[in-house]
Amino acid sequence: AQSVSQHNHHVILSEAASLELGCNYSYGGTVNLFWYVQYPGQHLQLLLKYFSGDPLVKGIKGFEAEFIKSKFSFNLRKPSVQWSDTAEYFCAVTLLGSGAGSYQLTFGKGTKLSVIP
Amino acid sequence: NAGVTQTPKFQVLKTGQSMTLQCAQDMNHEYMSWYRQDPGMGLRLIHYSVGAGITDQGEVPNGYNVSRSTTEDFPLRLLSAAPSQTSVYFCASSKRGDTQYFGPGTRLTVL
Repeated sequence: AQSVSQHNHHVILSEAASLELGCNYSYGGTVNLFWYVQYPGQHLQLLLKYFSGDPLVKGIKGFEAEFIKSKFSFNLRKPSVQWSDTAEYFCAVTLLGSGAGSYQLTFGKGTKLSVIP
Repeated sequence: NAGVTQTPKFQVLKTGQSMTLQCAQDMNHEYMSWYRQDPGMGLRLIHYSVGAGITDQGEVPNGYNVSRSTTEDFPLRLLSAAPSQTSVYFCASSKRGDTQYFGPGTRLTVL
């Protein structure tokens, strides 16, 4: 069965520290990749996405992610975190192809990020 | 353009009661889905629909029903609520393979 793994359950950083959150998926086919963010008490919002082209994608609020096809990875990075980045981050994958599967998102279990001022 | 709307925001039920969570979108998206979010479990797909009249089960469908009579609406029915259904429920919509847009969520407590 298809799956998405996020390596860290909870990450605690001080402001200005660099961030890297890991995400690996288990599909062999063509995929669309997403990172969503959920601020406390809010719904999920898109942070960035990769469909094709340059494997380094930039999102909102200074976040970026790199797609490494050979490693089935899509890691999220930010050079310098802020207190306002405290949130839960979810990696998600859609397997492209025919049928309803190309609509469905499979989510990782999420990584909570706490940024200490 | 309201995006994805959900009602109610909060609900408390007693075991055995039934209720319907409402979801609507105004973006003409063919795909709509329901997820539940529980601590440490991420988001798990309950049911989804790829168009009016077409629905299918996701990862955790037991105890829930859906229907899709129009493109805009995708209600989720709890048939006989159980404490295990205490969760936060999110509705989402998208075009095929594209970004899913999420509603604000319904926080459900079953006593």
